[in-house]
Amino acid sequence: DAGVIQSPRHEVTEMGQEVTLRCKPISGHNSLFWYRQTMMRGLELLIYFNNNVPIDDSGMPEDRFSAKMPNASFSTLKIQPSEPRDSAVYFCASSLDYGQETQYFGPGTRLLVL
Amino acid sequence: SQQGEEDPQALSIQEGENATMNCSYKTSINNLQWYRQNSGRGLVHLILIRSNEREKHSGRLRVTLDTSKKSSSLLITASRAADTASYFCATDFETSGSRLTFGEGTQLTVNP
Repeated sequence: DAGVIQSPRHEVTEMGQEVTLRCKPISGHNSLFWYRQTMMRGLELLIYFNNNVPIDDSGMPEDRFSAKMPNASFSTLKIQPSEPRDSAVYFCASSLDYGQETQYFGPGTRLLVL
Repeated sequence: SQQGEEDPQALSIQEGENATMNCSYKTSINNLQWYRQNSGRGLVHLILIRSNEREKHSGRLRVTLDTSKKSSSLLITASRAADTASYFCATDFETSGSRLTFGEGTQLTVNP
């Protein structure tokens, strides 16, 4: 298995632009998680899905952030408009099912908003 | 905050020595996990210990859990330069469903 796949690996954009991050979970995994990692705040859970349905989005910082999971093999995290403070590494992770504790992380997308 | 807290924040040792990292948390948990993150990479799951377990081993890793003190420790024996990484504890609180709450991590440097 290829593991969790994220794209792009690096993104540099200007303030005000729309950013879309993509994630393909491990095949057969039913839960998907989006995290953000910064030096200041550490690793924060933004949102997670189970069976393509958002379960908890309380970590989404504000309305500029949105996430979708149109099918079991694809999810997006969108930031519109982006701001410099959104600069971070964004990780996607998946787990076998709701309540299956071990999470498998992707390599992350390093986002820089100028 | 329910977040787990690791200590020390940074640890530097010589190859062959043992490394011990600690994690404390504040509310009741279902389980506690340890993850490793190499620089520029995603997190990798190392070991999971359930709330009814006190100790668990995996290769050179030994994890203990003391639910009365709300703390856990990760011991890496006979460390190697390749063990250099950040180590995070993650707690699955009883009321949290599937969500994990990660600590701030311990940066371990193993000098050859």
